[in-house]
Amino acid sequence: DADVTQTPRNRITKTGKRIMLECSQTKGHDRMYWYRQDPGLGLRLIYYSFDVKDINKGEISDGYSVSRQAQAKFSLSLESAIPNQTALYFCATSDYGRGRLETQYFGPGTRLLVL
Amino acid sequence: DAKTTQPNSMESNEEEPVHLPCNHSTISGTDYIHWYRQLPSQGPEYVIHGLTSNVNNRMASLAIAEDRKSSTLILHRATLRDAAVYYCILRDRGSNYKLTFGKGTLLTVNP
Repeated sequence: DADVTQTPRNRITKTGKRIMLECSQTKGHDRMYWYRQDPGLGLRLIYYSFDVKDINKGEISDGYSVSRQAQAKFSLSLESAIPNQTALYFCATSDYGRGRLETQYFGPGTRLLVL
Repeated sequence: DAKTTQPNSMESNEEEPVHLPCNHSTISGTDYIHWYRQLPSQGPEYVIHGLTSNVNNRMASLAIAEDRKSSTLILHRATLRDAAVYYCILRDRGSNYKLTFGKGTLLTVNP
């Protein structure tokens, strides 16, 4: 089984709808992240969470919210979806290690189309 | 964050070595050089990282210039499965969590 799973893998929605993307991990990591990727571009950080009670905005958080329900679960919500939120969304995890650099482990992605 | 520059695309033949360059002329003394790759229809995966010395692991080698202003990811024998976008990323030791992705290099491997 995959260490980082995302549901759904594909989603089509309409403008104005609220949707939630879910991420679960079995790696036991404290830190979780949400990124979006637009065609031909690199990934951009939306939100990140260092533990259940520590949630932070990334570089493009407007229009998004998150919920860290447990150490293993981190959900991304689009309160009112708009077409320019059409993108590929990735969840990632990392294990905090003082004094050492962390490796991030990514899920398979959720492809979202907002009509 | 210090910026990296990579070629948009490169091409290689199967079973030949591939050298993927990355320029980072404004690198600071506390920046580590990381490489991730993204296979088609997958999330990125870690490849290798280094600070000053050359590094080897089971996936690749990382050659770092003496002045640290450039580095090269080396795939010793490319396979079709190595076709991916390769990202060169600088990570400051003080921002342990942060990964800033550029556009990367699209590597095509010909059979």
